Amino acid sequence: GQNIDQPTEMTATEGAIVQINCTYQTSGFNGLFWYQQHAGEAPTFLSYNVLDGLEEKGRFSSFLSRSKGYSYLLLKELQMKDSASYLCAVMDSNYQLIWGAGTKLIIKP
Amino acid sequence: GAVVSQHPSWVICKSGTSVKIECRSLDFQATTMFWYRQFPKQSLMLMATSNEGSKATYEQGVEKDKFLINHASLTLSTLTVTSAHPEDSSFYICSARGPTGWYEQYFGPGTRLTVT
Repeated sequence: GQNIDQPTEMTATEGAIVQINCTYQTSGFNGLFWYQQHAGEAPTFLSYNVLDGLEEKGRFSSFLSRSKGYSYLLLKELQMKDSASYLCAVMDSNYQLIWGAGTKLIIKP
Repeated sequence: GAVVSQHPSWVICKSGTSVKIECRSLDFQATTMFWYRQFPKQSLMLMATSNEGSKATYEQGVEKDKFLINHASLTLSTLTVTSAHPEDSSFYICSARGPTGWYEQYFGPGTRLTVT
């Protein structure tokens, strides 16, 4: 079966760095996505990785290792507004998005 | 660019009635739209994939006669929840495939449905 695993909840301090991990087992691979979702709102696109390595975009970076079925989202200089759920999703061989359950990130002052 | 809207943003209806939710791509043409359902503290569950001018493709376990999807134009898809029951209460989110990349999905703001 297809499976996406990520931690349920993480807590970090304002100004610090946090890494949210995601491991996956899917039927084929056409890229891995990270989305941010604030409570009661729809997800917003953060990043897309299809090749191994690190993609940096401002305070957010995303890493992919296809051989390990592993990705992480790195958030630097955390701000209170970064408190949200972070969803990892993999596009499988049928170009369907398989979603993880999301990681709720709590930022403390 | 790449804005997707949904209407209504929230709706309360009585059990047994039908509710229609609209999803519009405002500044691009979306040949493919997706409908998701999300229960509290759970991840997104794909209900169906909607292609303009053709019948929607439903995921396993989703009743196509209960969740009617119409993608009549390149900018509008509708989801009608027929004979709604309290267990249909959920957050319904649509997304549209983006204009520049086949892999991009832009999400609408979601519709909170409560069936009493």
